[in-house]
Amino acid sequence: NAGVTQTPKFQVLKTGQSMTLQCAQDMNHEYMSWYRQDPGMGLRLIHYSVGAGITDQGEVPNGYNVSRSTTEDFPLRLLSAAPSQTSVYFCASSYSRPGTGGNTIYFGEGSWLTVV
Amino acid sequence: EDQVTQSPEALRLQEGESSSLNCSYTVSGLRGLFWYRQDPGKGPEFLFTLYSAGEEKEKERLKATLTKKESFLHITAPKPEDSATYLCAVVSGGGADGLTFGKGTHLIIQP
Repeated sequence: NAGVTQTPKFQVLKTGQSMTLQCAQDMNHEYMSWYRQDPGMGLRLIHYSVGAGITDQGEVPNGYNVSRSTTEDFPLRLLSAAPSQTSVYFCASSYSRPGTGGNTIYFGEGSWLTVV
Repeated sequence: EDQVTQSPEALRLQEGESSSLNCSYTVSGLRGLFWYRQDPGKGPEFLFTLYSAGEEKEKERLKATLTKKESFLHITAPKPEDSATYLCAVVSGGGADGLTFGKGTHLIIQP
């Protein structure tokens, strides 16, 4: 996957702890987003950003915060982790909004999070 | 609300046995339909974007087609390395600016 870097790859949290999943891209993409993937379900959109300083909610935003202070970075914060947030998290980026012509959306390699 | 349904959930083929994966969708104003490949433990890898009914795209043994209600991913003479989960996603004019994914088709190609 070209240019979308996620850290950490694996993380175990205790219920109630907070943490930040990092996402960085080096392709000068305006659009960035976070998804979670759970067994038996499709990837679901958590939050997205169409540019620095602009963020919006997706399908499953509760329990997560985001900010976009630079074009390159789009961290996802878990405020008070719950077992229901055990999942695989994917960051994605593209030059512009999905569905605009010729726009390829690149995904990172994922972050595996377990909340105990 | 956008909906994407993929079928079958799983498919096992012999090497060289061609087949098709289906993605049916319900959206308010399709802006794009995407196909991705996902290998175990990896992120989705982009394959195709289709924008309008009648459009077709090809890459090696894969060909994606689009109608007003569904998309097909045709796999011709597959090889074991084509084994993966294939994901379909849509972007529409309504709702959040992101992809709505189906649950995927898990494809196994046996030598």
